[in-house]
Amino acid sequence: SQKIEQNSEALNIQEGKTATLTCNYTNYSPAYLQWYRQDPGRGPVFLLLIRENEKEKRKERLKVTFDTTLKQSLFHITASQPADSATYLCALRTGGFKTIFGAGTRLFVKA
Amino acid sequence: ETGVTQTPRHLVMGMTNKKSLKCEQHLGHNAMYWYKQSAKKPLELMFVYNFKEQTENNSVPSRFSPECPNSSHLFLHLHTLQPEDSALYLCASSQETMDRRNSPLHFGNGTRLTVT
Repeated sequence: SQKIEQNSEALNIQEGKTATLTCNYTNYSPAYLQWYRQDPGRGPVFLLLIRENEKEKRKERLKVTFDTTLKQSLFHITASQPADSATYLCALRTGGFKTIFGAGTRLFVKA
Repeated sequence: ETGVTQTPRHLVMGMTNKKSLKCEQHLGHNAMYWYKQSAKKPLELMFVYNFKEQTENNSVPSRFSPECPNSSHLFLHLHTLQPEDSALYLCASSQETMDRRNSPLHFGNGTRLTVT
């Protein structure tokens, strides 16, 4: 079955540094991959989508890469701020209406 | 405030109770979803409705019963639940077309369910 793996350990970084989160997937060749942000007690919020023919996608301080050979996506937040502290979820569409998610990586940005 | 509203935000119920979760989307989307989120686990897809028709049932136990009266409303009826069903239940919606099957999901803030 399809599986998505994200670093289960929390990532702690200093304000102003670049945070890099990893998403690996197996048993599937998705046409695109999505990233979401989730704050405690709230639902996930969509951030970015990257297609298989796009190596890189940017939105303000966010950058996502997609390597279909490695079956991996990297999510970068540059010039990180304490307000970026949240859980970040990787997701992919597996067919029909099914979107599956990784367990997420918790990011803490210290001032 | 999101375009997807879920009520109640918190629910405590006994194993013999019957309760319902409600979801309403104000985005004009045609697909609606129920996900279950347990601590430290990925979101688990439960049910999908497209234009009020159920298109996915991810082997969910019959003690969970979905209802979709129209494209804007989705319910999850609960009865004789188990303590392990305690979780955050998230509703989501998306706009799906034949040539665009990569639409992002718009989530509500969930119902935190505790089964005692």
